[in-house]
Amino acid sequence: DVVMTQSPLSLPVTLGQPASISCRSSQDLGHTDGDTHLNWFQQLPGQSPRRLIYKVSNRDSGVPDRFSGSGSGTDFALRISKVEAEDVGIYYCMQGTHWPPSFGQGTKLEIK
Amino acid sequence: QVQLVQSGAEVKKPGASVRVSCKASGFMFSTYYMHWVRQAPGQGLEWMGIINLGSGSPSYAQKFRGRVTMTRDKSTSTVYMDLGGLTFEDTAVYSCARGEPIMRGGYGVDVWGQGTTVTVSS
Repeated sequence: DVVMTQSPLSLPVTLGQPASISCRSSQDLGHTDGDTHLNWFQQLPGQSPRRLIYKVSNRDSGVPDRFSGSGSGTDFALRISKVEAEDVGIYYCMQGTHWPPSFGQGTKLEIK
Repeated sequence: QVQLVQSGAEVKKPGASVRVSCKASGFMFSTYYMHWVRQAPGQGLEWMGIINLGSGSPSYAQKFRGRVTMTRDKSTSTVYMDLGGLTFEDTAVYSCARGEPIMRGGYGVDVWGQGTTVTVSS
């Protein structure tokens, strides 16, 4: 099974400053269909997860453009250009290339 | 818009079974996959399995095989997840999440249900 490893697991950030979360997979996430099925989810306190980014770098509808995704192969990142108070929550990467699908452990973003 | 509405909270005794339902709307039901994911208190997301909403064919994570059954009812656009042999470690929020269209590759998810809390308590 593919293991997804996120870092850091805790991320204190000052309001208005950038933030970056790393996600590494134990196997290359390039799919035979030509896509790389790496998604990012945001889980705000007390809420269900919401997808932010799909296939590495595509923002979902309604997601602020301060969120961006990048990477390839086994190395991926989620970046927030300027953190806002409403971004506090837990962020998960998920791979959907290999069976079975798997999630990272989650990164808890908090305001310093 | 795409919506997944789940059934209400459940409290069960150890050894019992639970059924969680997920009613879908806003998309062509039979052309997608549906996943089930759970989250124990204070823990991360754990993938449980997937069902092809067209054929009804499920596939389960190794950990849950023999204990979980996923089914769907096309007439009501509802997906069901039955989990048996409950233990205290099954206390969690159980969520359905829409998967990829059946004709596409990959096992990603996009829209999630609101989650159903299942508490196992004696």
